[in-house]
Amino acid sequence: AQSVTQLDSQVPVFEEAPVELRCNYSSSVSVYLFWYVQYPNQGLQLLLKYLSGSTLVKGINGFEAEFNKSQTSFHLRKPSVHISDTAEYFCAVSDRNTPLVFGKGTRLSVIA
Amino acid sequence: DAGVIQSPRHEVTEMGQEVTLRCKPISGHDYLFWYRQTMMRGLELLIYFNNNVPIDDSGMPEDRFSAKMPNASFSTLKIQPSEPRDSAVYFCASRPGHSGRYEQYFGPGTRLTVT
Repeated sequence: AQSVTQLDSQVPVFEEAPVELRCNYSSSVSVYLFWYVQYPNQGLQLLLKYLSGSTLVKGINGFEAEFNKSQTSFHLRKPSVHISDTAEYFCAVSDRNTPLVFGKGTRLSVIA
Repeated sequence: DAGVIQSPRHEVTEMGQEVTLRCKPISGHDYLFWYRQTMMRGLELLIYFNNNVPIDDSGMPEDRFSAKMPNASFSTLKIQPSEPRDSAVYFCASRPGHSGRYEQYFGPGTRLTVT
């Protein structure tokens, strides 16, 4: 069975500072990995995905993530955050045929 | 493309009443998923369909919950009778069936409050 652990439930960070949101996964087969963002009172929006190939994946809004198979991690990073990045971020894992399994989310709060 | 459409966006009902949530997936998508989001339990998969056929409903909490997909462009999630602990945001998502496209596209959600 697949599972995802997001190690931090809340991350406060000052505007223009870098941020890393951590995600570890567990799976017995090859995985596909995703990060989604949820703004208040909205649905989930895809930030980026890893299916294969380069382990460094770039997404929207300046975010990127690195797939590390040996550490079973897929951490999300941004070098300089903005107030508008305040949201909840979800890491998710899937294999070819199964629905996404989500972590419990990390609430990013950007402080002016 | 209009994206995944859900209705209503908000629903307030009294305990014991029947509630029906509706979803229109993105045209051409073969998979449809229903999720429930609460503070305590996060995002939970309730049920999913492939080509209108229910594949896995093990996440449906009780017999009070039922879901149907009568055609490729419409699905419903029904709760009868509703209880206060059903209060949550319910999301519908869809996904293409062909290989190489595994991301799910989410609707805006229905916020259900049962008093």
